[in-house]
This record gives sequence, C-alpha cells and structure tokens, in this order.
Amino acid sequence: ETGVTQTPRHLVMGMTNKKSLKCEQHLGHNAMYWYKQSAKKPLELMFVYSLEERVENNSVPSRFSPECPNSSHLFLHLHTLQPEDSALYLCASSPEGQGGYGYTFGSGTRLTVV
Amino acid sequence: EDQVTQSPEALRLQEGESSSLNCSYTVSGLRGLFWYRQDPGKGPEFLFTLYSAGEEKEKERLKATLTKKESFLHITAPKPEDSATYLCAVLHSGNTGKLIFGQGTTLQVKP
Repeated sequence: ETGVTQTPRHLVMGMTNKKSLKCEQHLGHNAMYWYKQSAKKPLELMFVYSLEERVENNSVPSRFSPECPNSSHLFLHLHTLQPEDSALYLCASSPEGQGGYGYTFGSGTRLTVV
Repeated sequence: EDQVTQSPEALRLQEGESSSLNCSYTVSGLRGLFWYRQDPGKGPEFLFTLYSAGEEKEKERLKATLTKKESFLHITAPKPEDSATYLCAVLHSGNTGKLIFGQGTTLQVKP
C-alpha cells in the first residue's frame, strides 16, 4: 500500500470517551503533520513532527495529544472533547521538514463529538 | 504574520466557460506557493508548486501563475469533473515546513 492512510474514516464519540486517530505513510517521508479542517475555515495546523520529534504545537488544547513512535506512524489521542472539536482531521507527510515539496494528505477522519 | 486569502469563496461556471481563481498572500520571503484540489470527503490532492514571480505551471485545463503578491489558477474550458474545492497555501517563513492555507474556492461546473 502506498500514500498516506488514515483510520478510522469516521468516528462518533461522546464527550467523556477516549479514542485515537491513526495515520500511516509509506512514502519514506521524514515529516508528518496533523491539520484540523472545519466548515468554511482554512486548514488549521495542529502539530508538526520532523524525524519523530515534535517541532511545533500550534496552541492546541491538551485534550489533543499527538504521538509519533516512528517516521511512518502518527497518532492523535483524544479525550474529553467538546462538540466544537467536530471536524475533519487530516494527516499529511512531506519528504523533509522544510515542506518545500508540498504535502501528501490522507483522506482524513471525520470526527463527530456528541 | 503570514496570511493567505482566496477569492471568490464560491464560483459556478457552465461547462466550457473559462475563469480564474485568486490567491493573495502576505509572507516574509516566499519559499513556495502550493495549489491543491479537494473533493468532498477526501484529503487535498497536490496540483502545483510555484517558487518565484513570473513562474507558470500547467496541467490539463489548469494553469497556475505567480506574481509577488498573488497567484491565479486559470481554468480553461472546464468540465463537470473539475468541480471541487481549490486550496492555496504558502510555505511558512520559519523552518518547520508548515503550510499556511487559504479558506479555499469551491468550484461548481454545470453541464
């Protein structure tokens, strides 16, 4: 399998639940990203990992916790979310941390918080 | 602060009716401007990268151009399958490789 794969594609969770989003890339890229996409708003960067080290945390609430165990996998752990966290969560990767080659995106996880 | 603004927010065209989408940007030292296409329920798909004013790139019915302040995505004789949201992004002037996105233009091409 090639490209960037995200699972699950859809997730409905209650505000007291704990869940995780998974992202896997088979492109040999060194950098991985989490973005949030809400209706009518630009993509918002959440986290940047370069060579498995978190290099940016864009003022994201602590109820979102990223994990990058190796350069091919990225997780987003979720707990005690709010309804306003409902959105499309996109994972992306790039060949190197400079992003100059653009990103390859996954298809996203559509999250609904009830 | 790096900023990207796209216009119009939505565009409806008849099949074959050419038009252009605009992306205005403010960035301290452009390191790259990117165009993506996003279909409903899917992640953005890379189209073009432009690096310097005057540069142009083409792919089928799409042509991207770049000036010092804005980029245009020209769509020539569009077809219904060109219907999608088109996103513009600039590479942040820092060194973390992050892209700053505009809010997108949703294009609908009617047969």
